Amino acid sequence: AQKVTQAQTEISVVEKEDVTLDCVYETRDTTYYLFWYKQPPSGELVFLIRRNSFDEQNEISGRYSWNFQKSTSSFNFTITASQVVDSAVYFCALSRGSSNTGKLIFGQGTTLQVKP
Amino acid sequence: DAGVTQSPTHLIKTRGQQVTLRCSPKSGHDTVSWYQQALGQGPQFIFQYYEEEERQRGNFPDRFSGHQFPNYSSELNVNALLLGDSALYLCASSLGGYGLEAFFGQGTRLTVV
Repeated sequence: AQKVTQAQTEISVVEKEDVTLDCVYETRDTTYYLFWYKQPPSGELVFLIRRNSFDEQNEISGRYSWNFQKSTSSFNFTITASQVVDSAVYFCALSRGSSNTGKLIFGQGTTLQVKP
Repeated sequence: DAGVTQSPTHLIKTRGQQVTLRCSPKSGHDTVSWYQQALGQGPQFIFQYYEEEERQRGNFPDRFSGHQFPNYSSELNVNALLLGDSALYLCASSLGGYGLEAFFGQGTRLTVV
């Protein structure tokens, strides 16, 4: 069975602090994809990143960075120097690679509140 | 270039009624997936339509059905509404039957009373 766990339900930080959102996944597939999405109050899920199971390189995009470790089945997301606009619900998701239909399995989400 | 559009944005229905939600995919996309997101939860996959056929289905009862039209737009129908069907319904579009580049709409907030 496939499963995504985001143990942090809510995180509150003060602006300019760094914050890491944790994601742990379970799958028996050797080929799979991991995603992070941001959901602002408007409701739309905004795509942030996709990684495949064969690429463990960490990635940095501006203030965002991602750490993928297959050994611990984790795909953590760090926001450096957080801003109020980063306040949202963040979801980690998993997709099977073999059938590649794109069905996404989401975690419960982490609500991030960045205070000024 | 319009993104994924969903209608209506909000809807209130009575228990036992039927509802139809609509989704227009992003221009150039031919695959539509539907998700149900209960309050405080992550989205749950309902089903996916590609080439006007249901390609994959999640763990939802037959009360949930769908359709895809030749122009790739899609409808989600829910019959015999239950209070537990109250949720945000999200549509995601992608290309070629895959979902790796899925774009989501803003959703339809359904409240069943």
